[in-house]
Amino acid sequence: EVQLVESGGGLVPPGGSLRLSCAASGFTFSDYYINWVRLAPGKGLEWVAIINKDGNTKYYVDSVKGRFTISRDNAKNSVSLQMNSLRDEDTAIYYCAGGTSWITRSWGQGILVTVSS
Amino acid sequence: DIVMTQSPDSLAVSLGERATINCKSSQNLLSSSTNKNYLAWFQQKPGQPPKLLIYWASSRESGVPDRITGSGSGTDFTLTISSLQAEDVAVYYCQQYYASPLTFGGGTKVEIK
Repeated sequence: EVQLVESGGGLVPPGGSLRLSCAASGFTFSDYYINWVRLAPGKGLEWVAIINKDGNTKYYVDSVKGRFTISRDNAKNSVSLQMNSLRDEDTAIYYCAGGTSWITRSWGQGILVTVSS
Repeated sequence: DIVMTQSPDSLAVSLGERATINCKSSQNLLSSSTNKNYLAWFQQKPGQPPKLLIYWASSRESGVPDRITGSGSGTDFTLTISSLQAEDVAVYYCQQYYASPLTFGGGTKVEIK
């Protein structure tokens, strides 16, 4: 069974940093593209970033470019999202999601990030 | 960026009746090289992660009931629930995966009338 489990969320003040992790199991991790997608309170889904299978190609939504960095460790079956210079509008549930293509078939349960003073 | 526009924002449908959700993209999602539309539909219930329903605009994900169908091509797409059941109450999103940034529609909330 494909499993993606997020961790590392919490409360952080504006301007602070947080590192989210996504642990994968039940499939060949190096076959999967991995995304981060977020759901802000009262808003719709927003795609945040994607990393390709070998970690050499990454794309981001404009609002996080220069602040967030996605990375992966295929030996440890994990993906991280380093979030710096956090803003109030980054408050959201963050989902790790992936698939063997850009179609996101498998999703984690999500982790809450709250940016507030 | 490709902008995805869904309509309506919400709809209330009687049990057993048809629900129709529209999604319009600002750019053509049909690839000339693959002849596929890079469009997916997701269902999200409160407190749960999104669930993939439809990909390539009309291919149903395994386990998705056949009352849920996707159609359309190019820039105009539709998700249809032919006979609404109580378990279909959710927010539905379209998403294009033709180009980065991948973008979602604003979502359509489906309720029981």
